[in-house]
Amino acid sequence: GAVVSQHPSWVICKSGTSVKIECRSLDFQATTMFWYRQFPKQSLMLMATSNEGSKATYEQGVEKDKFLINHASLTLSTLTVTSAHPEDSSFYICSGGSSGASDTQYFGPGTRLTVL
Amino acid sequence: DAKTTQPPSMDCAEGRAANLPCNHSTISGNEYVYWYRQIHSQGPQYIIHGLKNNETNEMASLIITEDRKSSTLILPHATLRDTAVYYCIVRYRPGFQGAQKLVFGQGTRLTINP
Repeated sequence: GAVVSQHPSWVICKSGTSVKIECRSLDFQATTMFWYRQFPKQSLMLMATSNEGSKATYEQGVEKDKFLINHASLTLSTLTVTSAHPEDSSFYICSGGSSGASDTQYFGPGTRLTVL
Repeated sequence: DAKTTQPPSMDCAEGRAANLPCNHSTISGNEYVYWYRQIHSQGPQYIIHGLKNNETNEMASLIITEDRKSSTLILPHATLRDTAVYYCIVRYRPGFQGAQKLVFGQGTRLTINP
């Protein structure tokens, strides 16, 4: 299957700082990328959908000014957690989909964010 | 909201076939059935998907009932590395608004025992 990478794989930061997470599709062009969040022992929750060159669409309850998403190219999307607080500590996972008959999504390995 | 129902957990002996059921009684004719799995602290891994015909690939087989209201994922010879949470997801086929969204339920935690 297609490969999606994320960087960093884990990050620890102080409360009030901002953290940027990168998501790259390595061997395909991702016209759409998705960002999910997963708390311990819970399922994945979709945060937002981004299409290359346009604004992201956020799910209900997700603050767009806190979770900034940029999808500047067909292979790169970034999620910036601004003014992070301990409650933002979570596992953040991105996925990419390409247009096509099946339009399967492929997921990155995830980024573990810990806010102190 | 997730449109599927799965048992919360299952056990299977190593080397045996693991059969994971999924109920999707409200599925529409424009929706596919997708299966992903998530090994601890990793991103979900795509396994297989289907519309109405049975499907097989190198990882698994997908059996969809004729009325499409339920399906079964079959791992033919389970190994310890197949221990994971398995998610059955119903998703609109491409061309429909919101078609690409994947809504994850709680999945089935499959444990393969030696």
